[in-house]
Amino acid sequence: QKEVEQNSGPLSVPEGAIASLNCTYSDRVSQSFFWYRQYSGKSPELIMSIYSNGDKEDGRFTAQLNKASQYVSLLIRDSQPSDSATYLCAVKRFSGGYNKLIFGAGTRLAVHP
Amino acid sequence: GAVVSQHPSRVICKSGTSVKIECRSLDFQATTMFWYRQFPKKSLMLMATSNEGSKATYEQGVEKDKFLINHASLTLSTLTVTSAHPEDSSFYICSAPGHLNTEAFFGQGTRLTVV
Repeated sequence: QKEVEQNSGPLSVPEGAIASLNCTYSDRVSQSFFWYRQYSGKSPELIMSIYSNGDKEDGRFTAQLNKASQYVSLLIRDSQPSDSATYLCAVKRFSGGYNKLIFGAGTRLAVHP
Repeated sequence: GAVVSQHPSRVICKSGTSVKIECRSLDFQATTMFWYRQFPKKSLMLMATSNEGSKATYEQGVEKDKFLINHASLTLSTLTVTSAHPEDSSFYICSAPGHLNTEAFFGQGTRLTVV
C-alpha cells in the first residue's frame, strides 16, 4: 500500500463547476496535510494546509480532513481553466529525525471552457 | 516568505559526465534540505535529506555514490549526479522544510536531460 494515494485522473470538469480531489493516507499518526498545485515543468506551490478534522476554506478552495477515515480532499469551486494542473496531496511524516513531506502521485485536473 | 533559489533550471549533459545542482536559501538559514526527483507524470520521490555539517541521509534504493549531496553552509546545498546516464534524466527539486505545521519552501526545479 502506498503511503499517500490519489487517483491520477485526468479529472475533467467544465468551467464554473466544482472539482473534487481526493487523497487517502496510510499512517494513522500523521498530523499535517497539504495540497500543492504543480504546473508542468514547475515546482509545487502550496494551495492549502489542514491539521484538524473538518473543513478549512480559503477563497475558492476548501480542504476537508477526516482522520478516522484517513482521508483528505480538496474542493475547488467555480473552476477556471487556469486551475488546470496536477494537484499533489502531501503528508508530513517524522522519520530519521526529520519531518518529511511524502507526496501522492497527483491528480491531473483539466478545466475546459 | 522564504525563498529557495535553485540553479540551473535546465541542463543537458552527455552520458558519463557529472552535473551539479545548487540550492540556496536566500533570506533564511536552511540547516536541512530535501532533494526530490520527479519523472514525467509521476510524483515527487524523496531521494535524500542533507544536513549542514553532517552526512546526508538517503532514502532506500537511492545510490549515495551516484547522487552526491553536500550541505556546505547554512545557505547552500548541492546535488551532484555523477556519471550521468539517460535514465537519470528527470526533474530534480530541492526543498527546505518549514516548521511542523507550515509549508515547505521549494526551489524552482532543475530539468536534467542526459544524452
